[in-house]
Amino acid sequence: NAGVMQNPRHLVRRRGQEARLRCSPMKGHSHVYWYRQLPEEGLKFMVYLQKENIIDESGMPKERFSAEFPKEGPSILRIQQVVRGDSAAYFCASSPDGWAQPQHFGDGTRLSIL
Amino acid sequence: TQLLEQSPQFLSIQEGENLTVYCNSSSVFSSLQWYRQEPGEGPVLLVTVVTGGEVKKLKRLTFQFGDARKDSSLHITAAQPGDTGLYLCAGEDTGNQFYFGTGTSLTVIP
Repeated sequence: NAGVMQNPRHLVRRRGQEARLRCSPMKGHSHVYWYRQLPEEGLKFMVYLQKENIIDESGMPKERFSAEFPKEGPSILRIQQVVRGDSAAYFCASSPDGWAQPQHFGDGTRLSIL
Repeated sequence: TQLLEQSPQFLSIQEGENLTVYCNSSSVFSSLQWYRQEPGEGPVLLVTVVTGGEVKKLKRLTFQFGDARKDSSLHITAAQPGDTGLYLCAGEDTGNQFYFGTGTSLTVIP
């Protein structure tokens, strides 16, 4: 998983606070994907971004969740007013091109809501 | 609705045994990938298959893409404890949407 960097690895928030998850893609990759995973389950697609553009956000809840991938800096997944149900592992992946290309994953951010 | 169903969901076997994991769908996929994920880490790509009927081998792992490109299997020969992990299939459908399967959690007992 070297190359895609996610931070923090673990994040604890109280209900109602904001959570910001960061993802720096592999060098040369301009496509970023965010996924959510519950224990012992597969990955659920949330959002697909290319530099400064959201390509597909069909898997992301319409309220409280937002994502960006600015021209400079990492991609950010932002969760406002967190609730207990937001507790999960959030993974970021990157690829040099679109969906058909193999995705390289980071080691995830484990979000716990107290 | 889950587009890619994997079976079994959980599998626990003795070292040295063989096993097969299935990834099934009613939809056609233009490509399909298999990943392995270990606890506390992100998924790591094992293989990509793109042609119906394609078979790829990776040491003791054999991957097959169904003729109709709706299903795939992963066969492991002589499983080892290092094979333990969550196996995920993932595919791009003909509408350029990408989905992950439900996952198979494999435990190989020494």
